Amino acid sequence: DAGVIQSPRHEVTEMGQEVTLRCKPISGHNSLFWYRQTMMRGLELLIYFNNNVPIDDSGMPEDRFSAKMPNASFSTLKIQPSEPRDSAVYFCASSGTGRGGTDTQYFGPGTRLTVL
Amino acid sequence: GEDVEQSLFLSVREGDSSVINCTYTDSSSTYLYWYKQEPGAGLQLLTYIFSNMDMKQDQRLTVLLNKKDKHLSLRIADTQTGDSAIYFCAESPLYNTDKLIFGTGTRLQVFP
Repeated sequence: DAGVIQSPRHEVTEMGQEVTLRCKPISGHNSLFWYRQTMMRGLELLIYFNNNVPIDDSGMPEDRFSAKMPNASFSTLKIQPSEPRDSAVYFCASSGTGRGGTDTQYFGPGTRLTVL
Repeated sequence: GEDVEQSLFLSVREGDSSVINCTYTDSSSTYLYWYKQEPGAGLQLLTYIFSNMDMKQDQRLTVLLNKKDKHLSLRIADTQTGDSAIYFCAESPLYNTDKLIFGTGTRLQVFP
């Protein structure tokens, strides 16, 4: 299995531009999570989906952030317009059904976003 | 609300044991996890323990859970330089087992 795939790995953009981050979860997993990691705030859960449906988006910072999961194998996190304070590493993770070890979240390598 | 706390840094000599500690507030947690993050990489699951267990051992890793004190620890025996990383503790609350609540992470530095 290729694991969770994220693209791009690095993104540098200018303030005000739209940024789209992409994630392909592990095949067969039914939950998908978007996290943001910064030095100041650590690892924050932004939103998660279960069976392609958004379940909890309480961690989304503001309306500039949006996430979609059009099918079981693809999700996007969009920031429009981007701001310098959005600079962070964004991780996608997926997990399967069941309990305990089978609920384990598997993380992608992350997208390092820099907004100038 | 739930909260997971860890010390920020730990420095150990190669070959010694490392003990990374974590405290959590949600007594209904079902599972507790340890993840490892190497520089420039995502989080990787190391091990997990079910809340009705006291201890779990997996090769050089030993997890101890004190449910009364809501304290979790990860012991790494014979610590190697390759163990240098950030270690995250996480809990899975009973009210929503889909979510994980992560601690701040402990940066382990192993010196020769």
